Amino acid sequence: KQEVTQIPAALSVPEGENLVLNCSFTDSAIYNLQWFRQDPGKGLTSLLLIQSSQREQTSGRLNASLDKSSGRSTLYIAASQPGDSATYLCAVTGLGNTGKLIFGQGTTLQVKP
Amino acid sequence: ETGVTQTPRHLVMGMTNKKSLKCEQHLGHNAMYWYKQSAKKPLELMFVYNFKEQTENNSVPSRFSPECPNSSHLFLHLHTLQPEDSALYLCASSQVGGRAHETQYFGPGTRLLVL
Repeated sequence: KQEVTQIPAALSVPEGENLVLNCSFTDSAIYNLQWFRQDPGKGLTSLLLIQSSQREQTSGRLNASLDKSSGRSTLYIAASQPGDSATYLCAVTGLGNTGKLIFGQGTTLQVKP
Repeated sequence: ETGVTQTPRHLVMGMTNKKSLKCEQHLGHNAMYWYKQSAKKPLELMFVYNFKEQTENNSVPSRFSPECPNSSHLFLHLHTLQPEDSALYLCASSQVGGRAHETQYFGPGTRLLVL
């Protein structure tokens, strides 16, 4: 059974810092991995999607890497801003790609001005 | 706005009530999903519908009954719920091509409290 773990559960940093969020998964047989952002009381917004054949994806100040063999992904946020404060969720899709996302519990990030 | 709307946004119900959650997507997608997000637990998939047909039921208790009348609308009918069913219920939609599911777009959720 696939399990997804995110470390740390919470993170507080001063504005301007570069930071890394970690995601690990137990079964390397994945179709893709996604990073989402969730603001309090709201739904999820997809940030980056990495196919199993890819090593990384970039969007603006965000860079996500994937090491499928070791079951790990990282989300790198450069020059953090207070507006980046949110919960970041990692999710994997199995090889069958039935649309079933398995989520981690998330990392809650606070960026202080 | 992601193009996925959910109503109501908040709901309080007793254990003997019957209520329904509604989700509508305006993105032209052909797959829709229900998720449950409880405190201190990872977000869990409940149901998947492709082209109005249910393709995934993640061992959800029968007190939750989904309905997908067309590709744009998804309902979750609730009856005789338990307090532990209190959670944020999220709807999502995506485009399916062949068997490939594209990125899922989420609605804002319905915050449910069962008393």
